[in-house]
Amino acid sequence: EVKLVESGGGLVQPGGSLRLSCATSGFTFTDYYMSWVRQPPGKALEWLGFIRNKANGYTTEYSASVKGRFTISRDNSQSILYLQMNTLRAEDSATYYCARDIGGNYAGFAYWGQGTLVTVSA
Amino acid sequence: DIQMTQSPSSLSASLGERVSLTCRASQEISGYLSWLQQKPDGTIKRLIYAASTLDSGVPKRFSGSRSGSDYSLTISSLESEDFADYYCLQYASYRTFGGGTKLEIK
Repeated sequence: EVKLVESGGGLVQPGGSLRLSCATSGFTFTDYYMSWVRQPPGKALEWLGFIRNKANGYTTEYSASVKGRFTISRDNSQSILYLQMNTLRAEDSATYYCARDIGGNYAGFAYWGQGTLVTVSA
Repeated sequence: DIQMTQSPSSLSASLGERVSLTCRASQEISGYLSWLQQKPDGTIKRLIYAASTLDSGVPKRFSGSRSGSDYSLTISSLESEDFADYYCLQYASYRTFGGGTKLEIK
């Protein structure tokens, strides 16, 4: 069974940092791109970025809204995805989701975590 | 960057009614589009991928189609569990979500 479980959310002050984790199981982690998506309260889903799979060198891409502040990484030995968030702003307050993206012949986003809430406030 | 314009943003409909949601892509995405359903508790489920392929276990009242740069999700006969938020997602170039449709009971 494929599972994704996010953790690490919480309250952080503006300008602060936070690292989110996404523990995965039930699939060959290195075969898949992995994405981070967020959703501010009452608003739409927003793609933040992805990290490619082994076949594509584990390289990363980001949306313009977080490029330079957020970093996606992965621990392939433990099948964990990370999102390092720096210089946080109030508008970064959201529920953050990890999702299994594409891999091989599989289209992505069939599997999601339950989300972790990040609140940026003084 | 590819933009996805989703309409309507909200829709009020009755049980048994047929409804359609649409996403228009700003650039060619060659059918690399999924439809997702989000329930009030935040749970997200993929319904359709590759524009028209139904995910396993998804009821056949859901269908996806394409006409040029317009991609549609149709629910043929609404059931109570279908009232939720829906998003399109393009994965042809990076990833972009549509703005979402809130489907409510009339």
